Amino acid sequence: TQLLEQSPQFLSIQEGENLTVYCNSSSVFSSLQWYRQEPGEGPVLLVTVVTGGEVKKLKRLTFQFGDARKDSSLHITAAQPGDTGLYLCAGDHPSGTYKYIFGTGTRLKVLA
Amino acid sequence: DTGVSQDPRHKITKRGQNVTFRCDPISEHNRLYWYRQTLGQGPEFLTYFQNEAQLEKSRLLSDRFSAERPKGSFSTLEIQRTEQGDSAMYLCASSYTSGKNTGELFFGEGSRLTVL
Repeated sequence: TQLLEQSPQFLSIQEGENLTVYCNSSSVFSSLQWYRQEPGEGPVLLVTVVTGGEVKKLKRLTFQFGDARKDSSLHITAAQPGDTGLYLCAGDHPSGTYKYIFGTGTRLKVLA
Repeated sequence: DTGVSQDPRHKITKRGQNVTFRCDPISEHNRLYWYRQTLGQGPEFLTYFQNEAQLEKSRLLSDRFSAERPKGSFSTLEIQRTEQGDSAMYLCASSYTSGKNTGELFFGEGSRLTVL
């Protein structure tokens, strides 16, 4: 059973469009991270959020942690082909022991 | 620092054989994690270490899986009597965790296992 569910599972969009990826759980997490993974490589950290309601921006990417620290979203503005990849959220297990549990993943393809 | 390295990158084996994967973490990192990932899915937690101590092993893992980190540096993951369902990418990650510091996970490129 996955603690973290991501939606959508797949997303194919045209260059320049906006999109939002969601990461939801019924559990509270002390922190949540977003990673991007490209084929043949390990995931690479994009951001960490730790405070309920926190919003962080990384160029065209905006990350938000839910007020109750149970969910998070990733919004990409004006997507580019270079944004293509598997986006993963990862939560510090509710036990707070830095055991990171990953979400189900969202595969994004941005078409030129 | 060369990052997290894993060996071998690819392993093809016949069902019933034993396989061992090695992970060399970033040198100053005290935490080491093993995950399993199938195509298009998120990594599934297997086990993790704080220095040489194994903190937890996933209940999803059968007794055929064992991991060690004998000196708190490199780690090995062994799968005995492999089954076709073991085919996956095995990812290793390391981090530095201290007090309330939220450690970033640094991943290796993974070891892909194919069981025929």
